[in-house]
Amino acid sequence: EVQLVESGGGLVQPGGSLRLSCAASGFTFSSYWMTWVRQAPGKGLEWVANINQDGSGKYYVDSVKGRFTISRDNAKNSLYLQMNSLRAEDMAVYYCARDAGGGGWFDPWGQGTLVTVSS
Amino acid sequence: EIVMTQSPATLSVSPGERATLSCRASQSVSSYLAWYQQKPGQAPRLLIYGASTRATGIPARFSGSGSGTEFTLTISSLQSEDFAVYYCQHYNSWPLTFGPGTKVDIK
Repeated sequence: EVQLVESGGGLVQPGGSLRLSCAASGFTFSSYWMTWVRQAPGKGLEWVANINQDGSGKYYVDSVKGRFTISRDNAKNSLYLQMNSLRAEDMAVYYCARDAGGGGWFDPWGQGTLVTVSS
Repeated sequence: EIVMTQSPATLSVSPGERATLSCRASQSVSSYLAWYQQKPGQAPRLLIYGASTRATGIPARFSGSGSGTEFTLTISSLQSEDFAVYYCQHYNSWPLTFGPGTKVDIK
C-alpha cells in the first residue's frame, strides 16, 4: 500500500523556521517527483513546491521562493520542506503527495501536518 | 500564472441526481487538468487526470471532459459519499494552480 506520512508541524513564531518531513512507503520513491501542497484554515489548496526524482529540479510558488527549500533523501525514502522566515500567511496544513505525472497530478496524498505561525 | 476558476461555488443536489461542475483556465492548459475530491478533515483524493482519465479505483459515475480552457466534472448519480468539495488543478506550466473549489452539498 502506498503511504505518505508527514511530520514536523507545530507552533512557530513569525520569522522562525520549521522543517517538515514526509516518510514514503509502498512504492519506489526514487522514481517519482514529489510535491508539497498547503491549505490555510478554511481555504482552498495551494501548490507550494515540487522536486524531481534525483533532486536536481525544484520548483516553487513565488510566495515561498527564497524562504522555503524542498529536498529529498532517496536512501531514506523521505521528502522534506525547510521553511524559514515564516509568516502568518504560511499557517496551513501542509500535505505531501506523490507527483504521479512528473510535474502533474498528485496521487496519493498524506494526511497533512499543521503549521501554526503565531506569537 | 494561469488562474483557475470554478463554478458554481456551491451546488445543492439531491441524492441520485446528476451534478455538473465547471472549471475554467485563464489560458489554454490543453488536457493538463486534474480533479480532486476533499471531504472535511481529510486529504484530497485524485479523481481525474488528463482531463478525462479516471484515477485508479474511482467509480464510473465520475467523468471528466473538456480541453483548452473549459472543463467539466460530471457525477452521474450522486451518492451520499460524494458530498464534498471538488477542486480542479492545471499542470500545463509552472506554477501549478488550483481552482477555488466547488462545494457539493445535500439539497
